[in-house]
Amino acid sequence: AQTVTQSQPEMSVQEAETVTLSCTYDTSENNYYLFWYKQPPSRQMILVIRQEAYKQQNATENRFSVNFQKAAKSFSLKISDSQLGDTAMYFCAFMKLPAQGGSEKLVFGKGTKLTVNP
Amino acid sequence: NAGVTQTPKFQVLKTGQSMTLQCAQDMNHEYMSWYRQDPGMGLRLIHYSVGAGITDQGEVPNGYNVSRSTTEDFPLRLLSAAPSQTSVYFCASSYSSSSLALGQFFGPGTRLTVL
Repeated sequence: AQTVTQSQPEMSVQEAETVTLSCTYDTSENNYYLFWYKQPPSRQMILVIRQEAYKQQNATENRFSVNFQKAAKSFSLKISDSQLGDTAMYFCAFMKLPAQGGSEKLVFGKGTKLTVNP
Repeated sequence: NAGVTQTPKFQVLKTGQSMTLQCAQDMNHEYMSWYRQDPGMGLRLIHYSVGAGITDQGEVPNGYNVSRSTTEDFPLRLLSAAPSQTSVYFCASSYSSSSLALGQFFGPGTRLTVL
């Protein structure tokens, strides 16, 4: 079974600075997807960024980027120019590639609570 | 589009009571799922459905029932509530199981307390 580990329960960063959230995962699969979801105090889960394991290029979405190290099974999220609105819980998630005709499920880490200070 | 809607937003039950958490989506999504979120545990999958009439168990299905009679609705039933079911429940959907790779749309959650 796949597992996802987020080793930092809480982090804080000053506004406008850069912060990196860690995520490691355990799998024997070669093809899979990785995600970072954001959950602000409103509780709404929002997809931040995704990465396909077969792509070597790291995904980026505006101020959010990932450092995907497949051999090390590491998938960290970097937030540049942090904003107050980035304050949220961040969840790393894993999904293996669905088999033909089958369906797969997301496995989530326990989350990292990020606070952006003014 | 309203997206994924959940009712109620908050609920308090007594041990042994039953209730149904409602989830609906208006995006014609085939795949729907239920998660529970507990402090320090992240999100755990309870049940999921890949289409009307098809459901399957997730990681923590005990104590919960689901059915999927229409594409739009995916209710979660607690037949006899227990304090261990105190949690925040999220419903999520995606166009299909294969499009899970593109991410899921989540509802706003239901906070359930069982006394």
